[in-house]
Amino acid sequence: NAGVTQTPKFQVLKTGQSMTLQCAQDMNHEYMSWYRQDPGMGLRLIHYSVGAGITDQGEVPNGYNVSRSTTEDFPLRLLSAAPSQTSVYFCASSYSSTDSSYNSPLHFGNGTRLTVT
Amino acid sequence: GESVGLHLPTLSVQEGDNSIINCAYSNSASDYFIWYKQESGKGPQFIIDIRSNMDKRQGQRVTVLLNKTVKHLSLQIAATQPGDSAVYFCAENPYSGGGADGLTFGKGTHLIIQP
Repeated sequence: NAGVTQTPKFQVLKTGQSMTLQCAQDMNHEYMSWYRQDPGMGLRLIHYSVGAGITDQGEVPNGYNVSRSTTEDFPLRLLSAAPSQTSVYFCASSYSSTDSSYNSPLHFGNGTRLTVT
Repeated sequence: GESVGLHLPTLSVQEGDNSIINCAYSNSASDYFIWYKQESGKGPQFIIDIRSNMDKRQGQRVTVLLNKTVKHLSLQIAATQPGDSAVYFCAENPYSGGGADGLTFGKGTHLIIQP
């Protein structure tokens, strides 16, 4: 069971370039999300999805797009990279986002370390 | 806005001793709390969680305590081992019945294990 898989592990972009960060999970989780982690800032939510075909913005969505065509995949697209987007990006998933009958913690991938020059 | 915070950025503990990592939260309506462990170069790893209808929950070598009166959460690690060295951070969901959706994360405490 691979869990949450993120690719690539490292990426260097020039300002203005575009790229897609890949995320896949094999746990049949409905909820998936993208976070960025910066020193001293903690984890901040970029976008999330509660199921295939449904996405919504988080705390810091500007400069990023997402889509959820399948349950398994949740790619994050940077349309025109900026130095402010230098960060570590984590994808996370959980079994259910709103069912309070049981606990459903987020499971994280190992991250993509992105540098924009 | 309301946020989750931590009392200490670094905690140094002797190997074999018990560790206690603290977390203060400001939203009295928060219903769900999670502790994560993050090792260098890796993603956050789920340790243990607790709902607001409980005061204590135990796992393998770990215990989470929730004091709703003073809005305080703690993670206790028994018989600390070198592999416990990591950054630990708590997360809360301020929405009643909420789970992973809507989590707010603290900035973390770096646990250092002394030989």
